[in-house]
Amino acid sequence: KNQVEQSPQSLIILEGKNCTLQCNYTVSPFSNLRWYKQDTGRGPVSLTIMTFSENTKSNGRYTATLDADTKQSSLHITASQLSDSASYICVVRGKTSYDKVIFGPGTSLSVIP
Amino acid sequence: DGGITQSPKYLFRKEGQNVTLSCEQNLNHDAMYWYRQDPGQGLRLIYYSQIVNDFQKGDIAEGYSVSREKKESFPLTVTSAQKNPTAFYLCATQPAGGYNFVNEQFFGPGTRLTVL
Repeated sequence: KNQVEQSPQSLIILEGKNCTLQCNYTVSPFSNLRWYKQDTGRGPVSLTIMTFSENTKSNGRYTATLDADTKQSSLHITASQLSDSASYICVVRGKTSYDKVIFGPGTSLSVIP
Repeated sequence: DGGITQSPKYLFRKEGQNVTLSCEQNLNHDAMYWYRQDPGQGLRLIYYSQIVNDFQKGDIAEGYSVSREKKESFPLTVTSAQKNPTAFYLCATQPAGGYNFVNEQFFGPGTRLTVL
């Protein structure tokens, strides 16, 4: 069964600190993996996309890594800001006849002053 | 959110009532999707449409219905047959559907439906 798991479920960090969120998936065959940021009560917004051949991709203070062999991805946030408080969702797209997209349950990040 | 609007933002429904959630887009995207989001769970696909006048059931279509009469609009009706409709509903669009695409899905702001 195609699944996407994320850890931790929730995380509280102090402003200015770094953190790393994890995503493990079993989707196969694999097409690409996205990280989305979802503010409370809003729709998700894409942060990064990684394809099979990519290992690292950065978007400002966000850096995503991908290990396609172990089916793991991480999202590293550097020098966190209060505005980083949100849910971060890992989304894996399979390479099937319909382009199946599997959403992880998300990690809820709270950045406190 | 961009060019995707969902209305209303909050919706309250009495048991036994049908309600319709609106999703409109001006991005000229071919594909549109409806997802349901519950606490602690990933988004689950209700229905999707890759072209006008065509739509397909997703993973949890029971108790829901959709139409795609115009490219810009993809309304979702939550019927009385949906036994646990309280959730956050998200509409999304994508430039084109099909496998082997890296197209991003763009999400609307969502509608929170509560059954009283």
